[in-house]
Amino acid sequence: DTGVSQDPRHKITKRGQNVTFRCDPISEHNRLYWYRQTLGQGPEFLTYFQNEAQLEKSRLLSDRFSAERPKGSFSTLEIQRTEQGDSAMYLCASSHWGQDNSPLHFGNGTRLTVT
Amino acid sequence: QKEVEQDPGPLSVPEGAIVSLNCTYSNSAFQYFMWYRQYSRKGPELLMYTYSSGNKEDGRFTAQVDKSSKYISLFIRDSQPSDSATYLCAMSAKWGAQKLVFGQGTRLTINP
Repeated sequence: DTGVSQDPRHKITKRGQNVTFRCDPISEHNRLYWYRQTLGQGPEFLTYFQNEAQLEKSRLLSDRFSAERPKGSFSTLEIQRTEQGDSAMYLCASSHWGQDNSPLHFGNGTRLTVT
Repeated sequence: QKEVEQDPGPLSVPEGAIVSLNCTYSNSAFQYFMWYRQYSRKGPELLMYTYSSGNKEDGRFTAQVDKSSKYISLFIRDSQPSDSATYLCAMSAKWGAQKLVFGQGTRLTINP
């Protein structure tokens, strides 16, 4: 169990550019979540997958955001036409859902800075 | 009004003190309560979780839930400098629920 891995750790981009983040969950976990955390605030739910199916999206996830989990393993979160308000820590978490549900385990996040 | 309210601090105490961290909430559907610890530039790390009302103890940490008051607490005994971090409470209506609702986090510093 190597934990939830996120890449990159830090991304600096100019406004209007597209960015993509990757998350590798704990291997036996079938659920994968994306949260966003701004400075001085707690994480806010964005979306989650069960296997490859995206089951819920928050109203925080505008049309510029898209998340995928093509084979039910790793996930990507893409932000198109970035805005300064997108600057935040993007956290990925995973859990097991089934006979024995587990709590959420978070990665160390990708910190996005939009200049 | 936010569903979960948590005093952001900062809170600074001497080493060895007992620390009390608290959250209040408004949604009576919440049944599961969690405390996460977050070090600077790291993701949240699950410390403890409890179901419904009552106490749960794990080493130096004790979590309390009072559903009648919609109030949860985390106590840290014999606090250590390594406990310095931001503490986040989180809640959900179902165990394993996809959506946790977090408090703002309390920034804690333990002074040697």
